[in-house]
Amino acid sequence: AQSVAQPEDQVNVAEGNPLTVKCTYSVSGNPYLFWYVQYPNRGLQFLLKYITGDNLVKGSYGFEAEFNKSQTSFHLKKPSALVSDSALYFCAVRDMSVQSDRGSTLGRLYFGRGTQLTVWP
Amino acid sequence: EPEVTQTPSHQVTQMGQEVILRCVPISNHLYFYWYRQILGQKVEFLVSFYNNEISEKSEIFDDQFSVERPDGSNFTLKIRSTKLEDSAMYFCASRGRVSSNQPQHFGDGTRLSIL
Repeated sequence: AQSVAQPEDQVNVAEGNPLTVKCTYSVSGNPYLFWYVQYPNRGLQFLLKYITGDNLVKGSYGFEAEFNKSQTSFHLKKPSALVSDSALYFCAVRDMSVQSDRGSTLGRLYFGRGTQLTVWP
Repeated sequence: EPEVTQTPSHQVTQMGQEVILRCVPISNHLYFYWYRQILGQKVEFLVSFYNNEISEKSEIFDDQFSVERPDGSNFTLKIRSTKLEDSAMYFCASRGRVSSNQPQHFGDGTRLSIL
């Protein structure tokens, strides 16, 4: 079964400092991994994904994530945090096991519990 | 940029009543999903829908739930007889056709409050 763990409920960091939001995963096949961000009263906004290739993935708003197969981790990072980065961050893994008749996967997402990032000015 | 839109943003309903949550996915997307998020808990998958039929559903999606794509644009989630524990934020998502690598795009959600 697929699962995602975000070990930290909250991450606090000063503006201008680097930030890391941790995520570990468990999948039965190749992992398709995603990060989403949720601002107050808004939906989940896609940040970045790892499908295959380079272990360092770059996404929106200066965020990046590092895929580490041996540690089954996909930590979200940013070199210099902004106050406007304060939000709820979700890591997710896609289930690749359900196929449509066209051969593609429908891919339900399994989410972590979310990590509240607060960036202090 | 195209968006997934959901209406209403907040729905208050008496326990036992039927409720319909509406979603307009991104046009030309083919895969549709409903998720829910109970306050303080993780986002949970409910159902996926493709080619006018349910592709997969979770254990949460029991006989009280149904989905429909009544026309070319809307995608609805119906809860036939609501329970207190159905109170949650419900998110609709859609994904494009090109590749399974594409991310799901989410709406802003409908907050469902059951009294």
